[in-house]
Amino acid sequence: KQEVTQIPAALSVPEGENLVLNCSFTDSAIYNLQWFRQDPGKGLTSLLLIQSSQREQTSGRLNASLDKSSGRSTLYIAASQPGDSATYLCAVPEAGGSYIPTFGRGTSLIVHP
Amino acid sequence: SAVISQKPSRDICQRGTSLTIQCQVDSQVTMMFWYRQQPGQSLTLIATANQGSEATYESGFVIDKFPISRPNLTFSTLTVSNMSPEDSSIYLCSVVGIRLNEQFFGPGTRLTVL
Repeated sequence: KQEVTQIPAALSVPEGENLVLNCSFTDSAIYNLQWFRQDPGKGLTSLLLIQSSQREQTSGRLNASLDKSSGRSTLYIAASQPGDSATYLCAVPEAGGSYIPTFGRGTSLIVHP
Repeated sequence: SAVISQKPSRDICQRGTSLTIQCQVDSQVTMMFWYRQQPGQSLTLIATANQGSEATYESGFVIDKFPISRPNLTFSTLTVSNMSPEDSSIYLCSVVGIRLNEQFFGPGTRLTVL
């Protein structure tokens, strides 16, 4: 059974810092890996989707990498802003089966001015 | 990308009553899921909504408490039955798109049970 771990659980940084959020998973047989953002009391917004054959994806100030062999993904946030404050979750669907995604518990990020 | 709407966006209900949440997607999708997120917690998968057949429930969730319908590829409902304060949560509808298998979420339904 896939297990997904996110480190750190919480992060508080001043504006402008470059950040790295980590996601690790136990079963490397994956379809893809997806990063989400969740604002308090809201649904999840998809940030980046990395297919199993890819090593990274970029969108604006966000860059996500995937290393299947080591079971790791990182989300890099450049030049953080207060508007980046949210919880960031990674999700890994099961491969070769039901495609049910397993979520990490998230990293709660606060960027203060 | 898929655009998902949920109704209602929030509700306050009395103990012992039931609430049906609707989820509508603007395009055909391969899979639809219902999640619960209790205060301060991560997501918990309730069930996979199957078109034209009974939903597939995760451990700890049963059809009598959370009946689910999915009459077609773009619509599903989740009912929270005989509610208690412990059911107070955000309920989220989620879909997996046909292309790229990307997952999308609705805005959620915030339920408070008194």
